[in-house]
Amino acid sequence: QKEVEQNSGPLSVPEGAIASLNCTYSDRGSQSFFWYRQYSGKSPELIMFIYSNGDKEDGRFTAQLNKASQYVSLLIRDSQPSDSATYLCAVPGGTSYGKLTFGQGTILTVHP
Amino acid sequence: DTAVSQTPKYLVTQMGNDKSIKCEQNLGHDTMYWYKQDSKKFLKIMFSYNNKELIINETVPNRFSPKSPDKAHLNLHINSLELGDSAVYFCASSQDYGTGEQPQHFGDGTRLSIL
Repeated sequence: QKEVEQNSGPLSVPEGAIASLNCTYSDRGSQSFFWYRQYSGKSPELIMFIYSNGDKEDGRFTAQLNKASQYVSLLIRDSQPSDSATYLCAVPGGTSYGKLTFGQGTILTVHP
Repeated sequence: DTAVSQTPKYLVTQMGNDKSIKCEQNLGHDTMYWYKQDSKKFLKIMFSYNNKELIINETVPNRFSPKSPDKAHLNLHINSLELGDSAVYFCASSQDYGTGEQPQHFGDGTRLSIL
C-alpha cells in the first residue's frame, strides 16, 4: 500500500459545482495534513492544512479529516476555471524530521 | 520579494557533466529541503537540512551532494549527470522540522534537462 494515495483523475467538474478530492494515508501516527495546489509548470502552493478531526473551512475550500479512517479530503465549492490544477495531499511522519510524503496528485479541470 | 528563490530556473546540459543548483530563503526559517518531481509529477523528498545540519537523506545516488553554508541557503551539486536526472528540482523551507507540522514553502523550481 502506498503511504499516501490519491485518485490521479483527471477529475472534471462544471463551473460552479463542488469538486471533491480524496486522500488516504497509511501512517496512523500522522497528526497533520496538507493540501497543496500546483498549476502546470509552477511550484506547489499550500492552500490548506488540518490537524484535528472534522472540517476546516477557508473561503471556498473545506478540508475534512477522519483519522479513524485515515482519510482526508478537500472540497472546493463554487469551482472556477482558475481552480484547474493538480492538487497534492501531503502527510508528515510522526518523527520524520519534517519529511513530507506526497500523494501522486489529482488533476482537476473546471470547465466553463 | 521572493520568499524561496532558486537559480537557475532552467538547466540544459550534457550527460556526464557536473552542475549545481542554488537556493536561498528570506523567511528566517531553520529548515530547508530539496525535492525531485519526475515526469509523472510525483514529488519526492531528497534531503533536508536544519540550521546547516543534514537531517534527512533519502535513498539518493551519492552523485547528489547538498551543501548548506548557512541556514538561509541550501545548494545541490550533481556529479556525472545521467538521463534519469531530468526532472524539476524544488527547494522548500519551513520554520522548523519538529514533527512535520510546519507548512513548507516552495521555490519556483529548476527544470533540469539532460541531453
